Amino acid sequence: AQSVTQLGSHVSVSEGALVLLRCNYSSSVPPYLFWYVQYPNQGLQLLLKYTSAATLVKGINGFEAEFKKSETSFHLTKPSAHMSDAAEYFCAVTHGYQLTFGKGTKLSVIP
Amino acid sequence: KAGVTQTPRYLIKTRGQQVTLSCSPISGHRSVSWYQQTPGQGLQFLFEYFSETQRNKGNFPGRFSGRQFSNSRSEMNVSTLELGDSALYLCASSSDSFGDEQYFGPGTRLTVT
Repeated sequence: AQSVTQLGSHVSVSEGALVLLRCNYSSSVPPYLFWYVQYPNQGLQLLLKYTSAATLVKGINGFEAEFKKSETSFHLTKPSAHMSDAAEYFCAVTHGYQLTFGKGTKLSVIP
Repeated sequence: KAGVTQTPRYLIKTRGQQVTLSCSPISGHRSVSWYQQTPGQGLQFLFEYFSETQRNKGNFPGRFSGRQFSNSRSEMNVSTLELGDSALYLCASSSDSFGDEQYFGPGTRLTVT
């Protein structure tokens, strides 16, 4: 069974600092990988998707993620954090039609 | 295009009652999935429907059921509600290509008292 591990349930960064949210997946076959963001009292918004066309994937709001097969990782980064980035972020994996999510990482941005 | 819509947004029910939640997918999307989100268990897959047929099912008791209509709209039903069913229920739609991204609605917040 596939699984996703997100390291750090809570990450705090200063405004303008680098954002790094970690995600590792467990799968013998490279899966489809996603990052979603959830703002309070809202549903999930797709940030980006790994499609195997390129290992570095650019998403919305300045986020990007790099797929590293050797490390089974798909970490999310953003060069400079904004206050509006404060939210919960979920990494997800699928081999078909069902998403398996990590536990989520709450990002706090300190002014 | 309009996004995924879910109704109602909030529900309060009493233990033992049943509840029906509704989801309208993005126009043209034929696959609808349901997820339960709780603080303790996180996001868990309930089931997925395509062309009015349940194609995948998660590890939930039979009290949780769903259906999909010919216009791709979907409903999920929970019978004999328990306190532990209190959660945010999220619906997602996709265009049904293998590994396609799923687009989520705002969710229905169910509180069981």
